[in-house]
Amino acid sequence: ETGVTQTPRHLVMGMTNKKSLKCEQHLGHNAMYWYKQSAKKPLELMFVYSLEERVENNSVPSRFSPECPNSSHLFLHLHTLQPEDSALYLCASSQRAHYNSPLHFGNGTRLTVT
Amino acid sequence: DQQVKQNSPSLSVQEGRISILNCDYTNSMFDYFLWYKKYPAEGPTFLISISSIKDKNEDGRFTVFLNKSAKHLSLHIVPSQPGDSAVYFCAASARDGNQFYFGTGTSLTVIP
Repeated sequence: ETGVTQTPRHLVMGMTNKKSLKCEQHLGHNAMYWYKQSAKKPLELMFVYSLEERVENNSVPSRFSPECPNSSHLFLHLHTLQPEDSALYLCASSQRAHYNSPLHFGNGTRLTVT
Repeated sequence: DQQVKQNSPSLSVQEGRISILNCDYTNSMFDYFLWYKKYPAEGPTFLISISSIKDKNEDGRFTVFLNKSAKHLSLHIVPSQPGDSAVYFCAASARDGNQFYFGTGTSLTVIP
């Protein structure tokens, strides 16, 4: 397995459910990210982790809870979501959390909240 | 307010011709610029980047041009191939941060 892998690829959940998105990177990178892509909008940064420490949290609602147990794994725990949270959630990694370290993305999880 | 803008949602080009994708930005502190390519059902793939100390960077068929005074970035693909059909995103970052700001993308169709 190479690159950045995300599971599941698709997820449908009700507003009262609790679910988790999983991301794993096989690139030996030290930084990992969660991005959200909504229709017709630019990618929005949600969270940044550098060496398992959260370094950026872009005013994301508390119903999204990230977890980074080690530099290769990243989770996004979801609970009591709203229909407007339906979007493509992309995980990315980079060699370091630095302005000139390009991101490498996974294929995303398409989330639908009903 | 969006700091990185791609004003053309779509572009169609004949195979073999040049594709030019444009991007404008508003933040003069941006120091590093990137282009990503995205196929349907896949994540964006890093294509090419340029630092603000340069005005051109070339990698095979792909060349990125940076005009700092105009706050404008462009990606040239020559010659265009059908496999280049994808959505292209530009992104920018500032030296004092670790966040990339993305445009909304331009969908390129290369017609055989």
